[in-house]
Amino acid sequence: EVQLLESGGDLVQPGGSLRLSCAASGFTFSNYAMSWVRQAPRKGLEWVSTISGGGSTYYADSVKGRFTISRDNSRNTLYLQMNSLRAEDTAVYYCAKAIWVGEEPKRPFDYWGQGTLVTVSS
Amino acid sequence: EIVLTQSPATLSLSPGERATLSCRASQSVGSNLAWYQQKPGQPPRLLIFDASHRATDIPARFSGSGSGTDFTLTINSLEPEDFAVYYCQQRSNWLTFGQGTKVEIK
Repeated sequence: EVQLLESGGDLVQPGGSLRLSCAASGFTFSNYAMSWVRQAPRKGLEWVSTISGGGSTYYADSVKGRFTISRDNSRNTLYLQMNSLRAEDTAVYYCAKAIWVGEEPKRPFDYWGQGTLVTVSS
Repeated sequence: EIVLTQSPATLSLSPGERATLSCRASQSVGSNLAWYQQKPGQPPRLLIFDASHRATDIPARFSGSGSGTDFTLTINSLEPEDFAVYYCQQRSNWLTFGQGTKVEIK
């Protein structure tokens, strides 16, 4: 059974940093692109970042230069390092698995974690 | 950036009725469109990928159609568990989502 478990969400001040983790199980982690998608309170979904199985990274313009996605295939874990946080980064952050194997990063997401809440406020 | 516009914002229907949801793209996305269902407090669930292919374990009452810029998600004979918010997503030019359509009980 595929499971994705996010952690690391917290209340942080504007300008601060946070690192999110997503522990994956139930599939061959290294074969799949993984992504972060966020959802601001009472809002829609926004793609944040994707990392291919081989480590190529991709970012939405809204987070480019501030967020860094990475993965540890030996630990089956996905990360999101978030720096220079702003109030508009407040959201539930989901990690999501690509539906198909391969390096292509633009895939639909067939499994999602339950999400972790990041609140940026003074 | 490709903008996806979903309509209507809210659809009020009764169980057993058919729901027809629309997603329009600001430029062609080919067949690179997916649909997700989200219930309160839960993550999204993939329903349809590549415009018309049902994801694993998705009931046959869910169907997708369209290509280019106009897409439709149809839910035949709404079940109580189908009342939720539905999002479309394109993957032709990176990844963007529509703003969602809420299907509520009339």
